[in-house]
Amino acid sequence: GEDVEQSLFLSVREGDSSVINCTYTDSSSTYLYWYKQEPGAGLQLLTYIFSNMDMKQDQRLTVLLNKKDKHLSLRIADTQTGDSAIYFCAENTWAYKLSFGAGTTVTVRA
Amino acid sequence: NAGVTQTPKFRVLKTGQSMTLLCAQDMNHEYMYWYRQDPGMGLRLIHYSVGEGTTAKGEVPDGYNVSRLKKQNFLLGLESAAPSQTSVYFCASTKRQNTEAFFGQGTRLTVV
Repeated sequence: GEDVEQSLFLSVREGDSSVINCTYTDSSSTYLYWYKQEPGAGLQLLTYIFSNMDMKQDQRLTVLLNKKDKHLSLRIADTQTGDSAIYFCAENTWAYKLSFGAGTTVTVRA
Repeated sequence: NAGVTQTPKFRVLKTGQSMTLLCAQDMNHEYMYWYRQDPGMGLRLIHYSVGEGTTAKGEVPDGYNVSRLKKQNFLLGLESAAPSQTSVYFCASTKRQNTEAFFGQGTRLTVV
């Protein structure tokens, strides 16, 4: 995942907003994704954004894309204990390949 | 509708042993992938397949082989396991390019 970088840990208080940041390298990526991994489970798609968009909102999730800086962020409003997980940023770098970041472990404290 | 199913879920191998991991999907997806997940490194693509009878190398293919004899199955083989192959292995499938990837639950492999 060296094409995609994200911070490894985030601790947030329950009820606050979480912001997870990601930078990517391939300017030709057409889709950028956020996946969530709960303990002992596989990855599940949370949301995605098409590269010609700046922002996408989906209930408590807001994705911001700065294509010039190749920066992607995921904001989770009103963070709950069930949001504790590892969050992966991913880009499609060529034809069929998704390139993942190392994952950000989000811990929600009471 | 089970989605993507991986077997086994856990396995311990001795160095030099061989094994095959099975991935099965029931969504009629064209593309299937094998990733390995290691701490602090995210998921790295081992091999992938864009259709029945086709396979291709990903980022880290050495020490692994794959086969896609049937559209719904994608097998990952380790011919001679090494401790460096201790990892969690995930299979994924997509209907076509740039669509949602569905992941299996993972196989935790330890090579001693």
